[in-house]
Amino acid sequence: AQSVTQPDIHITVSEGASLELRCNYSYGATPYLFWYVQSPGQGLQLLLKYFSGDTLVQGIKGFEAEFKRSQSSFNLRKPSVHWSDAAEYFCAVALNQAGTALIFGKGTTLSVSS
Amino acid sequence: DVKVTQSSRYLVKRTGEKVFLECVQDMDHENMFWYRQDPGLGLRLIYFSYDVKMKEKGDIPEGYSVSREKKERFSLILESASTNQTSMYLCASSSKTSSIGQFFGPGTRLTVL
Repeated sequence: AQSVTQPDIHITVSEGASLELRCNYSYGATPYLFWYVQSPGQGLQLLLKYFSGDTLVQGIKGFEAEFKRSQSSFNLRKPSVHWSDAAEYFCAVALNQAGTALIFGKGTTLSVSS
Repeated sequence: DVKVTQSSRYLVKRTGEKVFLECVQDMDHENMFWYRQDPGLGLRLIYFSYDVKMKEKGDIPEGYSVSREKKERFSLILESASTNQTSMYLCASSSKTSSIGQFFGPGTRLTVL
């Protein structure tokens, strides 16, 4: 069965430091991969997605993610974190390009210290 | 600006009440979804619909039903609310022809007393 694992439940990063959030998936075919962010009390906002092609994808708010098939990973990165990045981040796998039947990881909460 | 709206941000109901959560999208999307979100469990799919009057069970449909009479509206129904249905409920929509992914509403935090 398909699954998504986010190994880190909670991460604290200093403002201005770099960030990497880990995501591993289990899926037999070529996956469609997403990262979403949820600010407190809000719905989910799509940060970026990977369907095919260049394995390094750029998203909104200065985020990027790299797809590594050999490691079944899709890690999210940002070179310099801002206090406003504090939120919960979800990695997801879709079974098709339209994004139906998304399978979510359990999320990683990011705290930013000053 | 594309939008998914949910009828209430916060809702408090009593055990045994019938509860309706409404979701409306203005993007002419074919697909609509209901998730519940609980701490440590992430998002779990309750039901989804890929067309008017069509519905499919997700991972945790027990205790819930849905209705989709119009393309833009997808309702989640708790026939007899129970305390273990206290949760955050998120609605989402997506286009079956686009690769943009799912758009989410702001969520409804439901408390069942």
